[in-house]
Amino acid sequence: KNQVEQSPQSLIILEGKNCTLQCNYTVSPFSNLRWYKQDTGRGPVSLTIMTFSENTKSNGRYTATLDADTKQSSLHITASQLSDSASYICVVSAPNDYKLSFGAGTTVTVRA
Amino acid sequence: DAGITQSPRHKVTETGTPVTLRCHQTENHRYMYWYRQDPGHGLRLIHYSYGVKDTDKGEVSDGYSVSRSKTEDFLLTLESATSSQTSVYFCAISEYLAIEQYFGPGTRLTVT
Repeated sequence: KNQVEQSPQSLIILEGKNCTLQCNYTVSPFSNLRWYKQDTGRGPVSLTIMTFSENTKSNGRYTATLDADTKQSSLHITASQLSDSASYICVVSAPNDYKLSFGAGTTVTVRA
Repeated sequence: DAGITQSPRHKVTETGTPVTLRCHQTENHRYMYWYRQDPGHGLRLIHYSYGVKDTDKGEVSDGYSVSRSKTEDFLLTLESATSSQTSVYFCAISEYLAIEQYFGPGTRLTVT
């Protein structure tokens, strides 16, 4: 059973607009939550990593939020650019565990 | 791609043939991982290594074997390739357990 669910599966936005991606997880106990960006034909690259005590983390135009009580996270992209077109993957890990739980990803397409 | 290379980057092979994928790192990280990525699924762990000659199975290990004779190299072998093993394979490395994982560029494998 997939313990990390992402929504929407895909979305299209116009350049310069904002968007928000959602991640719900059931992994417990919980250690940290990461957001990765994966460009077509490339490996995932980390955007943010948050522990259970952190509520928000920013990386340039990317802002991730975490509500550990409701087991929800979001990734907000501000003033989108064409280069933001990619798949965004939510990843959750348990303490001292090699195994990561990956969401299926949200594919974002930014159009001019 | 954090000093990680994968070879080959693309391969087409026939059902029943053996295939070996190579992951090479220059970071001297202790942990190495093999994942497969399929449409609609999150990345799924095949095998991982926690040191030279120390490996363990992930969630989708059937039909795959691995070896790690040197810190920098982690090999994934499909003893007898099947069409269900058509996928994109990613290698990842991490310095410590449950900490940031860095991904390689991926290998696209097609089994006909």
